[in-house]
Amino acid sequence: GQQVMQIPQYQHVQEGEDFTTYCNSSTTLSNIQWYKQRPGGHPVFLIQLVKSGEVKKQKRLTFQFGEAKKNSSLHITATQTTDVGTYFCAGPRGNKLVFGAGTILRVKS
Amino acid sequence: KAGVTQTPRYLIKTRGQQVTLSCSPISGHRSVSWYQQTPGQGLQFLFEYFSETQRNKGNFPGRFSGRQFSNSRSEMNVSTLELGDSALYLCASSLADSEAGELFFGEGSRLTVL
Repeated sequence: GQQVMQIPQYQHVQEGEDFTTYCNSSTTLSNIQWYKQRPGGHPVFLIQLVKSGEVKKQKRLTFQFGEAKKNSSLHITATQTTDVGTYFCAGPRGNKLVFGAGTILRVKS
Repeated sequence: KAGVTQTPRYLIKTRGQQVTLSCSPISGHRSVSWYQQTPGQGLQFLFEYFSETQRNKGNFPGRFSGRQFSNSRSEMNVSTLELGDSALYLCASSLADSEAGELFFGEGSRLTVL
């Protein structure tokens, strides 16, 4: 079945450094979604990408959807302590959303 | 607009017992999904309901069951609890009636099995 792989599993950066997490699907996706879960919190929707090669920005966050619609990335420029948490990508498989394992981001100030 | 509400937030059970968790979706959302979250396994899909029908089921044993009521509220039940069932159980609702769309998660029910 469809699997969504995400790397790295964990990243610890110095405040001000950049951060990137990558997502790969075994099958072509109709769309890809990104969620953020703060420590002790619940996942919160960030964005959805639909088009091949799509790039979207939210302030310091840049999201990309690959040309083949099988991979995606989230890049954070100049991380801040407020960026800490786990970032998940997720792709639809019919009515259900399949999540990657997530990348845990820690920011050292 | 109220968000997704899950009850109880925390509970402790012993092996062999059963538990029922409740989820009230955002008003107007007819799709409700349940996920199990553990540190080692991430977010694992349990099941999804739409208009009282289970449309999708994950790879969990039959001890895990759920249902949805006519007002879209949903419950999940775990019988004969095992230590490995300790986890955060997340409910999420969605407007999407076909392909999975944006999910709105509740704060979760944290289950500890002793």
